[in-house]
Amino acid sequence: AQKVTQAQTEISVVEKEDVTLDCVYETRDTTYYLFWYKQPPSGELVFLIRRNSFDEQNEISGRYSWNFQKSTSSFNFTITASQVVDSAVYFCALKETGFQKLVFGTGTRLLVSP
Amino acid sequence: DGGITQSPKYLFRKEGQNVTLSCEQNLNHDAMYWYRQDPGQGLRLIYYSQIVNDFQKGDIAEGYSVSREKKESFPLTVTSAQKNPTAFYLCASSSNGWSTDTQYFGPGTRLTVL
Repeated sequence: AQKVTQAQTEISVVEKEDVTLDCVYETRDTTYYLFWYKQPPSGELVFLIRRNSFDEQNEISGRYSWNFQKSTSSFNFTITASQVVDSAVYFCALKETGFQKLVFGTGTRLLVSP
Repeated sequence: DGGITQSPKYLFRKEGQNVTLSCEQNLNHDAMYWYRQDPGQGLRLIYYSQIVNDFQKGDIAEGYSVSREKKESFPLTVTSAQKNPTAFYLCASSSNGWSTDTQYFGPGTRLTVL
């Protein structure tokens, strides 16, 4: 069965701190896809990244970086030098081969204060 | 601008009434989806459609209905049979509905049953 766990319900940091959001997934499939989405207070989900299971290379995009480790079934997201605009709920999601459904974690609310 | 629009942003309904939520996309995507989000939870799939005139039930389809008469449009009707309809509803689309797809989301409709 597919499952995504985001154990951190809420994280509060002060601006310019680095913060890591954890994501642990469960799947029996050997080919799958992992996603991170950002949900700002407006409500719309904004796509951040997609990672294929056969590509374990870490990725960096500006202040954002992602660490994918198949050995621990984790796909963690780090924001470097956080800013107030990073305040949002962040969702990790999983999709298996042949399935159209995204399985979401319960999200982590990030509060960045000035 | 290409994107997904949902209307209305806020919707109030009396118990026993059916209500229809609109979702339109101009991304030329074949696949469209409806998700429900409850406070503190991830998103759950209600219905999806990979092609015009065809749609499939998701995990929580009971009390909902959809139609897909046009590629650009995928309206969701919340019927009186839905026991607890108050929630945030998000529509998404993707290019072809395959597992390699990325789903992009609209701004959402917040439904409140009075």
